[in-house]
Amino acid sequence: DSGVTQTPKHLITATGQRVTLRCSPRSGDLSVYWYQQSLDQGLQFLIQYYNGEERAKGNILERFSAQQFPDLHSELNLSSLELGDSALYFCASSPETGNYGYTFGSGTRLTVV
Amino acid sequence: GIQVEQSPPDLILQEGANSTLRCNFSDSVNNLQWFHQNPWGQLINLFYIPSGTKQNGRLSATTVATERYSLLYISSSQTTDSGVYFCAVEPDTGGFKTIFGAGTRLFVKA
Repeated sequence: DSGVTQTPKHLITATGQRVTLRCSPRSGDLSVYWYQQSLDQGLQFLIQYYNGEERAKGNILERFSAQQFPDLHSELNLSSLELGDSALYFCASSPETGNYGYTFGSGTRLTVV
Repeated sequence: GIQVEQSPPDLILQEGANSTLRCNFSDSVNNLQWFHQNPWGQLINLFYIPSGTKQNGRLSATTVATERYSLLYISSSQTTDSGVYFCAVEPDTGGFKTIFGAGTRLFVKA
């Protein structure tokens, strides 16, 4: 157990639907990062939050949004889902931004049918 | 943006063999990490190594930031070392985005 908890582990949903992925960072970590891993795109950075505020944004689609709550857990919302959104979604956390290694959760496998 | 290239893309080893994985990056970085993704998909942080050399058991890593490369050494490989090894860098241009290379897929035969 890495200390980073992601739920659910698996999710199957239909095109056009909306889902929410949840991440609880390791105790004491203030930064949360979201990554998407698909077969053809590798690990793609989506977005980072630090202590409740958005810190950096990567290749995140407009249909996707995220937030970090006061208790530091984070949620990634995916809407108007398409077949191409099927992927592994990882959350990682670190104590602060920059000079620390990441700890990854076990991921959520999203399948859009 | 920064380019991160890992080599070789694929590697097959006999158990007990040693190997060196390479990560080249095109711009200056604030930090560099090595990860192992096991066959079950779990990503494990091996090293946080923006510069210098670190060792952890049979694994060691060296980053030469001025020459923009990092090396991951695996000695006396075991079947449990199989998986994909990723290098990830944060460019020093700001923005706090950590970019992953495409990875080296390693298979260790018993």
